[in-house]
Amino acid sequence: QVQLVESGGDVVQPGGSLRLSCAASGFSFITYGMHWVRQAPGKGLEWVTFIPYDGINKYYADSVKGRFTISRDNSKNTLYLQMNSLRREDTAVYYCATGLLEMATIVDHWGQGTLVTVSS
Amino acid sequence: DIQMTQSPSTLSASVGDRVTITCRASLSISTWLAWYQQKPGKAPKLLIYKASRLESGVPSRFSGSGSGTQFTLTISSLQPDDFATYYCQQCNSYPLTFGGGTKVEIK
Repeated sequence: QVQLVESGGDVVQPGGSLRLSCAASGFSFITYGMHWVRQAPGKGLEWVTFIPYDGINKYYADSVKGRFTISRDNSKNTLYLQMNSLRREDTAVYYCATGLLEMATIVDHWGQGTLVTVSS
Repeated sequence: DIQMTQSPSTLSASVGDRVTITCRASLSISTWLAWYQQKPGKAPKLLIYKASRLESGVPSRFSGSGSGTQFTLTISSLQPDDFATYYCQQCNSYPLTFGGGTKVEIK
């Protein structure tokens, strides 16, 4: 079955950088668009970014545009999120998730999440 | 950006109750709406997509309706496993946006 395992979450100082990874298995990764969604402690869900199966047309939330970069390595079945110029408000659990095959804007299977804490 | 407004933010109900959660979009999204359930410390789970299509494996007591700007999630007979937080999400256009959530509590 679909398995998504995020890693790379850590405590980082404001202004710092971090790269998250999401290892995918149990499905044909190369055919699915992928999302990152985050959730600040005690808060609701915030969509962050999307990358299609071919990695060409990417989309970002305004809150992370110009600071975060989504990428994928289809040969390694792995999704990435490079986060630069981190701010305290980026503190959250970050989930990677698949889009539905025919409707990629619908977030389907989710990983268990990895915690990013931005603090001095 | 499309704003999504859910109501109520908290709902107290008993096992067996019929529960309805409302979601409103700031502009028309046709039927491009999804509903998710999230339990504490867990990832969200897709329940309904395209406003009314039940995700595989989701109990039939869950149903969704609506189009345009007004949507509802209904649980026909609340079960103990249903106490959780529910989110709507517009899937019409980027940036994707979620509602603020509805926490369903035990009365």
